[in-house]
Amino acid sequence: DTGVSQDPRHKITKRGQNVTFRCDPISEHNRLYWYRQTLGQGPEFLTYFQNEAQLEKSRLLSDRFSAERPKGSFSTLEIQRTEQGDSAMYLCASSLGSSIQYFGAGTRLSVL
Amino acid sequence: AQSVAQPEDQVNVAEGNPLTVKCTYSVSGNPYLFWYVQYPNRGLQFLLKYITGDNLVKGSYGFEAEFNKSQTSFHLKKPSALVSDSALYFCAVRDEGAGNMLTFGGGTRLMVKP
Repeated sequence: DTGVSQDPRHKITKRGQNVTFRCDPISEHNRLYWYRQTLGQGPEFLTYFQNEAQLEKSRLLSDRFSAERPKGSFSTLEIQRTEQGDSAMYLCASSLGSSIQYFGAGTRLSVL
Repeated sequence: AQSVAQPEDQVNVAEGNPLTVKCTYSVSGNPYLFWYVQYPNRGLQFLLKYITGDNLVKGSYGFEAEFNKSQTSFHLKKPSALVSDSALYFCAVRDEGAGNMLTFGGGTRLMVKP
């Protein structure tokens, strides 16, 4: 399967713990995006990378959130001191330039 | 700022009948418009896009969408619905001159009954 891969698929954590998600984009895609989707809503943009540079960040991305793409390939999204409001599906997408964004299956986070 | 509205939370249609899922948008510049479909526990799958050119665009699985600039709409259509089309559909917009983020509508659940 050469699509966008996200790991883990599900994460259950206790409030206050840190979590990290990983996204592996389609291999030749230079752009990588993170979105958050809560139940019954459409995805909301969080941040975007072109190669290793983080070029856009949403106001939704609080100080507790950090994303990296160190070598311009895979990306990680870390949430520190998780809160119950962080419970959501975290979606990763990739694209070649500004073309179609292809999405992974997502990581579902549940904060207890 | 860019925004998308999908006025119907759910659309019900009988198998074999035509279907329409509505979408209207708002952008400052030229719109790039997309439709995605989401099945349970799956990510979003790309269906079709409008960038420029012919107002009627054709996509995957027999779906098509019509871009209407004066009504700022991009409704998704299919001439004959299948039960397997039942899923959650999202319309999204990107402003040509305002970055790479997609703004999604709230989604419309399509239920196709046999």
